[in-house]
Amino acid sequence: DAMVIQNPRYQVTQFGKPVTLSCSQTLNHNVMYWYQQKSSQAPKLLFHYYDKDFNNEADTPDNFQSRRPNTSFCFLDIRSPGLGDAAMYLCATSRRQGNNEQFFGPGTRLTVL
Amino acid sequence: DQQVKQNSPSLSVQEGRISILNCDYTNSMFDYFLWYKKYPAEGPTFLISISSIKDKNEDGRFTVFLNKSAKHLSLHIVPSQPGDSAVYFCAARGRRQGANNLFFGTGTRLTVIP
Repeated sequence: DAMVIQNPRYQVTQFGKPVTLSCSQTLNHNVMYWYQQKSSQAPKLLFHYYDKDFNNEADTPDNFQSRRPNTSFCFLDIRSPGLGDAAMYLCATSRRQGNNEQFFGPGTRLTVL
Repeated sequence: DQQVKQNSPSLSVQEGRISILNCDYTNSMFDYFLWYKKYPAEGPTFLISISSIKDKNEDGRFTVFLNKSAKHLSLHIVPSQPGDSAVYFCAARGRRQGANNLFFGTGTRLTVIP
């Protein structure tokens, strides 16, 4: 089945230690998104890629970076995680820019010690 | 500044009865609204949507109503089934060309009691 896959499902890192979260998709969608969802809060968009074009949200901290080496894969890099970065990170895809429906992966829960 | 609000964190309904989940928004530029359903340990899955040019959209047991003047939408599930127990997120899209940003509410946890 076509899907959005996130690895790992659970990630523990230490304060200040760089961490990378992975997302892959078999849907061949143009657009890939990263959302951050903290406990009892709404998912918040960090950035998205439309093909290779990177679009950062204005309030996304510089500590968060992303890479998309090809259509199928997208990575979220947190350069120096702080305790406040502990959250669920959701990857999503959609067929084209402006398309309404986004398909989500199961998420990676990040713990910062 | 939460632009999409779901003021009820939880809702319990008897099986077979109607579930009504509510959502309010503040930005009049939103032109498309979506409901997502999320089971534990899974990502949100798309459920139903409505364009701002409509006031109702129906898909089987699920109906979404939009009241633009009140900036309010609701999701009706009838009849409710135990398998509907999940967290429901309301989301809205801005009217920007090529807009990708979906603004989500904080979710409502629905429990359908058998």
